[in-house]
Amino acid sequence: GAVVSQHPSWVICKSGTSVKIECRSLDFQATTMFWYRQFPKQSLMLMATSNEGSKATYEQGVEKDKFLINHASLTLSTLTVTSAHPEDSSFYICSATNRGGISGGLYNEQFFGPGTRLTVL
Amino acid sequence: GQSLEQPSEVTAVEGAIVQINCTYQTSGFYGLSWYQQHDGGAPTFLSYNALDGLEETGRFSSFLSRSDSYGYLLLQELQMKDSASYFCAVRDLRGYQKVTFGTGTKLQVIP
Repeated sequence: GAVVSQHPSWVICKSGTSVKIECRSLDFQATTMFWYRQFPKQSLMLMATSNEGSKATYEQGVEKDKFLINHASLTLSTLTVTSAHPEDSSFYICSATNRGGISGGLYNEQFFGPGTRLTVL
Repeated sequence: GQSLEQPSEVTAVEGAIVQINCTYQTSGFYGLSWYQQHDGGAPTFLSYNALDGLEETGRFSSFLSRSDSYGYLLLQELQMKDSASYFCAVRDLRGYQKVTFGTGTKLQVIP
């Protein structure tokens, strides 16, 4: 249980185009989803926190107009990188959690998707 | 804000024991987690400490000292497949419990 999928797993696009990445919780309802970005040999940096039915909360320094997040249902969140540029090339990872606790208890473990590698030419 | 520091690289011999340290500064501490990430893959959850002390899960153990803002991950009976990056992470008590990751430690297990 507690599987999170991402699509696509990798994408190559031209500079100036927009790319949409989907994150789905397959067997649980994700009240909250998180979007991370990871550059090579670096840590995961949180970009935004997404709650179903409400606007995403962006971390400082992340442009909300460039990285559009939609959490339309309890099992799906999308990240759209608009007008992508080569510096946006990165590994984008989502995670999902259920505030009620998937396995019970106070600790709500985050379950990560397999990631999407974006390359902007 | 949150900041977590880890050694950047550690090398250990197969079958040995290795300890990966993590020191943190947080404005709202709810617990320390550890994640493993193989190259090109997603992080996978290893352990979680909310209280001081040692938590053991098979070959992996994790320790927390909240008074020292310090924790470590202990890997025993190292196997080649343990070669990966390891991240400590703190959970924010506020809001939606976002997780902030440490700088990461790349562990290389050698024969």
